[in-house]
Amino acid sequence: IAGITQAPTSQILAAGRRMTLRCTQDMRHNAMYWYRQDLGLGLRLIHYSNTAGTTGKGEVPDGYSVSRANTDDFPLTLASAVPSQTSVYFCASSNIRNEQFFGPGTRLTVL
Amino acid sequence: GENVEQHPSTLSVQEGDSAVIKCTYSDSASNYFPWYKQELGKRPQLIIDIRSNVGEKKDQRIAVTLNKTAKHFSLHITETQPEDSAVYFCAAHYTGGGNKLTFGTGTQLKVEL
Repeated sequence: IAGITQAPTSQILAAGRRMTLRCTQDMRHNAMYWYRQDLGLGLRLIHYSNTAGTTGKGEVPDGYSVSRANTDDFPLTLASAVPSQTSVYFCASSNIRNEQFFGPGTRLTVL
Repeated sequence: GENVEQHPSTLSVQEGDSAVIKCTYSDSASNYFPWYKQELGKRPQLIIDIRSNVGEKKDQRIAVTLNKTAKHFSLHITETQPEDSAVYFCAAHYTGGGNKLTFGTGTQLKVEL
């Protein structure tokens, strides 16, 4: 059992390029989340999904989009990357007790 | 929405001493309060949590207390060890709009030998 996996582990991206960060969980959790964590700062919610087929905006959604076609996958897309999107991105999922578990993170650098 | 404040931002203790981190929340409807530990370069990991129907929960050297009236909760680590050094985040489960956690800004705990 893998839990939550994210890909890629790290990426360097030119500004203006499109990028999709992948997140997959095998725990059959209904709810999933994307956070960004900037150096020395806390976790800020980008988008979330309470169940397959639904998504919602978090605290910092601008410049990002998500989809939730099935229970396991929750990809995050940057349509046109900008340097301010340089960050560590964590995907998470939560069980019916609201216990939230994080993936290993993707370190993204936009130049 | 929910707002969570966390103090202190940094905390340095001697090995063997106790450490206390405090958080306050704004929404009285919040009912679940987890604590996460994040080591450098790693993912946040759930270490303990408390729900609104209890006042205290303990797991070996860590404990969490909740005061619903004052809307604050605290993490207590006793007999600190160097491996306790990490960033700790508190969070509150906000029921008002979606199934979400609101996180505090984190406390950098350093346990010195």
